[in-house]
Amino acid sequence: SQKIEQNSEALNIQEGKTATLTCNYTNYSPAYLQWYRQDPGRGPVFLLLIRENEKEKRKERLKVTFDTTLKQSLFHITASQPADSATYLCALPPDSSYKLIFGSGTRLLVRP
Amino acid sequence: DSGVTQTPKHLITATGQRVTLRCSPRSGDLSVYWYQQSLDQGLQFLIQYYNGEERAKGNILERFSAQQFPDLHSELNLSSLELGDSALYFCASSVEAGANYGYTFGSGTRLTVV
Repeated sequence: SQKIEQNSEALNIQEGKTATLTCNYTNYSPAYLQWYRQDPGRGPVFLLLIRENEKEKRKERLKVTFDTTLKQSLFHITASQPADSATYLCALPPDSSYKLIFGSGTRLLVRP
Repeated sequence: DSGVTQTPKHLITATGQRVTLRCSPRSGDLSVYWYQQSLDQGLQFLIQYYNGEERAKGNILERFSAQQFPDLHSELNLSSLELGDSALYFCASSVEAGANYGYTFGSGTRLTVV
């Protein structure tokens, strides 16, 4: 069956450290993958898109990698800050249609 | 403000009733997507419209329907409401039919069915 898996356990790290979140998918061959941030009770906010022919993408303190062989994307936040505390969602197009399917998200807590 | 406007922000209604949720996409975006988010299910795709036409459908219940109007705003109609329909309903928009540039989400409508 098709699945998108993100660690359901919260990631708790110290301010200043690098947070690494994982997104694994099964039985999909997405042309791209996206990452979103969601704060409690708010809509998700788009962060980064990485295409299947890109190994890595960066935006300020964010870095995303995409390994189509491992069927995995890693999302890194360097020099993390308490304001980075949120739930991070990965999303991908499951087929040639235009919808996005979202993982259940990983909650990140950055301690001051 | 993301540019995507959803109304109302909160809705409390009784089982068996019908409600309409409204979404105005960001200026220039032609695609509108509806998602349902409940605590145990995460973000579930319901339906997508592009420039007035239905483009993709998820596991949307037959009790639910949607449309996109000529001015590009969209409405999600939920009828014969059940307790399990209580959730956050999000609308998102994007500049093209695909999602190559990411979605812009609204702040959601919190529906409580009592």
